[in-house]
Amino acid sequence: DAMVIQNPRYQVTQFGKPVTLSCSQTLNHNVMYWYQQKSSQAPKLLFHYYDKDFNNEADTPDNFQSRRPNTSFCFLDIRSPGLGDAAMYLCATSRDSGQGSDTQYFGPGTRLTVL
Amino acid sequence: AQKITQTQPGMFVQEKEAVTLDCTYDTSDPSYGLFWYKQPSSGEMIFLIYQGSYDQQNATEGRYSLNFQKARKSANLVISASQLGDSAMYFCAMRAYTGGFKTIFGAGTRPFVKA
Repeated sequence: DAMVIQNPRYQVTQFGKPVTLSCSQTLNHNVMYWYQQKSSQAPKLLFHYYDKDFNNEADTPDNFQSRRPNTSFCFLDIRSPGLGDAAMYLCATSRDSGQGSDTQYFGPGTRLTVL
Repeated sequence: AQKITQTQPGMFVQEKEAVTLDCTYDTSDPSYGLFWYKQPSSGEMIFLIYQGSYDQQNATEGRYSLNFQKARKSANLVISASQLGDSAMYFCAMRAYTGGFKTIFGAGTRPFVKA
């Protein structure tokens, strides 16, 4: 089945130790998104790629970076994780047209713990 | 400004009964899409149903239907014949044409289905 895959599902890192989360998709969608979701809150968009064009949200900290080496894969790098970065990280994709009808499909998420 | 409001933080629902989850939205864009997602405790965001702003009929997908009242700017989700597995967080979301790739999420509503 076509889907969005995230690895690992659970990640534990130490304060200040760089960590990379990965996302892959078999939907051949143009757009890939990274969201941060803290407990009992709505997902917060960090950035997205339209093909190779990177779009950062204005309030995304510099500590968060992303790479998209090809259509299928996208990575979230947290350069120096702090305790406040502990959260669920959700990857999503959409075919994209930029129109309201375009549905985002989410992966299962990576739950990050920072010790 | 675009906004999604979900005012019911949690509720109890009797198994096999229908439940309505409220959602109101605000946008000045005439072209937009409305979405509902289900998020179980595992964390994955599962797409449930979509309603376009120009759609004349309410969207339905199995036990899910969207009660779209455009003049009131409401897009309530109705789950018929509730099941224990329906206990989860539900997010209403909107994407407007002028919003580009950004989807706005509400705060979520969590129905608890009891036997």
